[in-house]
Amino acid sequence: GDSVTQMEGPVTLSEEAFLTINCTYTATGYPSLFWYVQYPGEGLQLLLKATKADDKGSNKGFEATYRKETTSFHLEKGSVQVSDSAVYFCALEPNAGNNRKLIWGLGTSLAVNP
Amino acid sequence: GAGVSQSPSNKVTEKGKDVELRCDPISGHTALYWYRQRLGQGLEFLIYFQGNSAPDKSGLPSDRFSAERTGESVSTLTIQRTQQEDSAVYLCASSFSGPQYFGPGTRLTVL
Repeated sequence: GDSVTQMEGPVTLSEEAFLTINCTYTATGYPSLFWYVQYPGEGLQLLLKATKADDKGSNKGFEATYRKETTSFHLEKGSVQVSDSAVYFCALEPNAGNNRKLIWGLGTSLAVNP
Repeated sequence: GAGVSQSPSNKVTEKGKDVELRCDPISGHTALYWYRQRLGQGLEFLIYFQGNSAPDKSGLPSDRFSAERTGESVSTLTIQRTQQEDSAVYLCASSFSGPQYFGPGTRLTVL
């Protein structure tokens, strides 16, 4: 079945460091891909998405490119801030009918130190 | 506008008791999803509603779990005879042909 694998955390970085969180997926067809973020004490928020191969999603300085050839959707940010400390989840939405249930990775905790 | 709301935010119950969790989706969102997040694990899909019908209940872990939805509005997830392994954060999300928007979750603790 469909699945998402993302790198394990926790990831600890200094402010202004470069961030990569790896995400790979297994799916039939052409799923949509998402990154969600959960800040401490808050609910899940959509960070960015991509719906087809070679699309780049971007938001708040974060980017991820849908790579069908490597079945990947790695999250990157050039210069992290303390306020980026959160748990990041990669997810896919199978391209099948109206049911858009999301298949989730386990989440990667990021801590950014000043 | 108002986002997805869930109640209660926290629920502590004794093993064997029944619990009801409530979700109020964003107005106009026809699709509603329930997920469960157990400690240290990813989110697990439980059930999907389109309007008030549930075309996909494949994620419900056992017949102790049930859910219903009134029209395109409130949904309740009921867990009967709770067990300790039911302890988790239960998340609700809603959407209308776009990405899912999540509520803050209900943290359920079964003692």
